[in-house]
Amino acid sequence: GENVEQHPSTLSVQEGDSAVIKCTYSDSASNYFPWYKQELGKGPQLIIDIRSNVGEKKDQRIAVTLNKTAKHFSLHITETQPEDSAVYFCAATLNSGYSTLTFGKGTMLLVSP
Amino acid sequence: NAGVTQTPKFQVLKTGQSMTLQCAQDMNHEYMSWYRQDPGMGLRLIHYSVGAGITDQGEVPNGYNVSRSTTEDFPLRLLSAAPSQTSVYFCASSPQLSTLGGELFFGEGSRLTVL
Repeated sequence: GENVEQHPSTLSVQEGDSAVIKCTYSDSASNYFPWYKQELGKGPQLIIDIRSNVGEKKDQRIAVTLNKTAKHFSLHITETQPEDSAVYFCAATLNSGYSTLTFGKGTMLLVSP
Repeated sequence: NAGVTQTPKFQVLKTGQSMTLQCAQDMNHEYMSWYRQDPGMGLRLIHYSVGAGITDQGEVPNGYNVSRSTTEDFPLRLLSAAPSQTSVYFCASSPQLSTLGGELFFGEGSRLTVL
């Protein structure tokens, strides 16, 4: 099955700085890569996703890049704000089914004012 | 709009006790699932359902049972609780059966402690 490695496990930045979270996956057949944000005491929420036929996707201050050759994808957050503080999960799936969606172990992002 | 509702939010059990975690969604979603979240382990799929009357196992199904008698409800049953089942449990749903449609909608979680 798929294996997703996520780094770093914790990331501390100052408000206004950029933050980058990286994930690698094992199966070259994976074709869908979502990112979820989990605020304290809440369930995860989708913030952005990318499919294997796209190299980069942006949504305001958030962007995701995908390198299929190296089998890694990254989340970039620019101009970080305190409300960006949360746990972020990457995930990958082989055949588009939710039952095969494999999550990384999460990154706790702390943005200090 | 309620979305995905989980009850209870907190529960303490003794080893060997049984209980049911409830999950209800009001979005008419076909796909529903249960995950457990443990420190340093991410989210792991327990069971899932692609429609009423249809369920299947995920990555970590042992010790748990599910059923799907209606589109709205997907309860998770612990038949004989063990300390290893101490975790935070999330129910999630989606209108599509494929990730090509995008988003999983998560509930707010149920924190279970087994003593």
